Amino acid sequence: DVQLVESGGGLVQPGGSLRLSCAASGFTFSDHHMDWVRQAPGKGLEWVGRIREKGRGDTTEYAASVKGRFTVSRDDSKNSLYLQMNSLKTEDTAVYYCARSPLGRGPFDHWGQGTLVTVSS
Amino acid sequence: DIEMTQSPSSLSASVGDRVTITCRASQDIKINLAWFQQKPGEAPKSLIYAASSLESGVPSNFSGSGSGTEFSLTISSLRPEDFATYYCHQYKTYPFTFGPGTKVDIK
Repeated sequence: DVQLVESGGGLVQPGGSLRLSCAASGFTFSDHHMDWVRQAPGKGLEWVGRIREKGRGDTTEYAASVKGRFTVSRDDSKNSLYLQMNSLKTEDTAVYYCARSPLGRGPFDHWGQGTLVTVSS
Repeated sequence: DIEMTQSPSSLSASVGDRVTITCRASQDIKINLAWFQQKPGEAPKSLIYAASSLESGVPSNFSGSGSGTEFSLTISSLRPEDFATYYCHQYKTYPFTFGPGTKVDIK
């Protein structure tokens, strides 16, 4: 079975940094694009960023709200996805989900359970 | 950015009712449209991709249609487990964007 398990969330002060991880299992991780999607408390879904699979050069895309502050990376040898978050703002407070995106069809066919990031002083 | 809108924002319905949710894109997105279901405290779940392709394991009372800028999600006969919030999502162009959601609750 496909499993995605996020970790690394917690409380951080504005201006601080945090690194989220997503451990993948049950599928060939290196063959898939991987995304981060977040959801602020009581709000809707917001796409954060994507890293493409190795065949497409591990290239990345970002939402304007996080570009220059967040970095998506992956380690295919560890079946792991990462989100490095720097210069955090209170508006980055959200549950962060990792999601699998198969090639050649729609994205986000499997999601992790999410990890909560709270940015507050 | 492509703006996604949904209507209605919420609706009340009964078990057995037929429910239709509409999603509109601010630009032509062909059929690059997905629908997700989310229940309180849970991660979203993929229902439909490519506007009308049913995700594996999703009951056949869910269906999607549309192309270009207008799309719909139909639940042919509402079941108790279908009460949730539904989001449309375009993946034609970066940045990917979601609709604001439609909450379906029990009348």
